[in-house]
Amino acid sequence: ETGVTQSPTHLIKTRGQQVTLRCSSQSGHNTVSWYQQALGQGPQFIFQYYREEENGRGNFPPRFSGLQFPNYSSELNVNALELDDSALYLCASSPESGGVYEQYFGPGTRLTVT
Amino acid sequence: AQSVTQPDIHITVSEGASLELRCNYSYGATPYLFWYVQSPGQGLQLLLKYFSGDTLVQGIKGFEAEFKRSQSSFNLRKPSVHWSDAAEYFCAVGADSSASKIIFGSGTRLSIRP
Repeated sequence: ETGVTQSPTHLIKTRGQQVTLRCSSQSGHNTVSWYQQALGQGPQFIFQYYREEENGRGNFPPRFSGLQFPNYSSELNVNALELDDSALYLCASSPESGGVYEQYFGPGTRLTVT
Repeated sequence: AQSVTQPDIHITVSEGASLELRCNYSYGATPYLFWYVQSPGQGLQLLLKYFSGDTLVQGIKGFEAEFKRSQSSFNLRKPSVHWSDAAEYFCAVGADSSASKIIFGSGTRLSIRP
């Protein structure tokens, strides 16, 4: 059984640029959640997708957007990058239709904004 | 407002010694509670969870946690730590079945003394 995978592993962008991060959910999971983890902090919930629809959103501005595809993989897009967007971005999948049930995390994408 | 407090930023214990990591939450109703572990450069792995029922829950890797409603606590314990337990530990709470309400603590870094 393949776990949650994320790409790329690391990324360096310049302030003002746009970035797309990708996530493949665990087999059989139809729900994907995205988190931002700044250095030395716990993860913060960005949003969740279930069956290609946004299903809950945390306190993040609209320049953070996402997509979920029919195969349940997902993308996180961030426009107009700011220095404070530098963080580890984690994707988690779960078999339930939304909810805080068991979430299985990928290894993350480390984004550095200069 | 919902919150999670992990009062210990960094703990060092000797290999073979017992461990207790503290977690306090703030929420009016019965929460969903989780402990996750994160090794350097890795995603989060679920150690255990509490939804309802028996307040002492067993997890993977020999960890257990006890939900104490009167103290709003969900402390993580292990009777004998191994060098491989060195990692960052996060307590998390979900207010209901909505993932948008899951809150992570700021984490406790565990170091193991040989």
